[in-house]
Amino acid sequence: AQSVTQLGSHVSVSEGALVLLRCNYSSSVPPYLFWYVQYPNQGLQLLLKYTSAATLVKGINGFEAEFKKSETSFHLTKPSAHMSDAAEYFCAVGTYGGSQGNLIFGKGTKLSVKP
Amino acid sequence: DSGVTQTPKHLITATGQRVTLRCSPRSGDLSVYWYQQSLDQGLQFLIQYYNGEERAKGNILERFSAQQFPDLHSELNLSSLELGDSALYFCASSVARAGNTIYFGEGSWLTVV
Repeated sequence: AQSVTQLGSHVSVSEGALVLLRCNYSSSVPPYLFWYVQYPNQGLQLLLKYTSAATLVKGINGFEAEFKKSETSFHLTKPSAHMSDAAEYFCAVGTYGGSQGNLIFGKGTKLSVKP
Repeated sequence: DSGVTQTPKHLITATGQRVTLRCSPRSGDLSVYWYQQSLDQGLQFLIQYYNGEERAKGNILERFSAQQFPDLHSELNLSSLELGDSALYFCASSVARAGNTIYFGEGSWLTVV
């Protein structure tokens, strides 16, 4: 069975500071991994996706994530936080092949950005 | 705009009632997924359809059912509603059954009073 653990339900950073949101996954088969962002009263928007082509994945809005198989991690980072980054971020895992395409989501991390 | 359209955006109904949530997937997508988001349970996968056939089931209650029609739009039917069913229901779609990015709609807010 697959699962995702996001460490920290709330993370607060100052504007301009590094953003680090942690995600660890569990999967018995090679996974594909996602980060989604949810702004207040909106749906989930794809930030980036890992598909095994490269371990460092660049996404939208300056975010990137690194896949580390040995640590079963897929942490999300951004060098410099902006006020507009305040949102909830979800890490998700799925598997290649098979007949199911659904993703398993972590519980989310709310990012606050202080001026 | 993800291209996934959900209606209605907001719905308030009484306990014991039945509601239908509607979803139109992105053009060309064959898979439709339904998710429930609540404060206590987070994002829970309910069910997936692929080209009209049920493909995967998650934590979907027996009081809930879904279907995907020949034009690929989908409906989620929620019956005998309880207060605990109040949540944000997302529809999502993808091109194929597995391995592709899933795109989410804006969600349907259901409040059961």
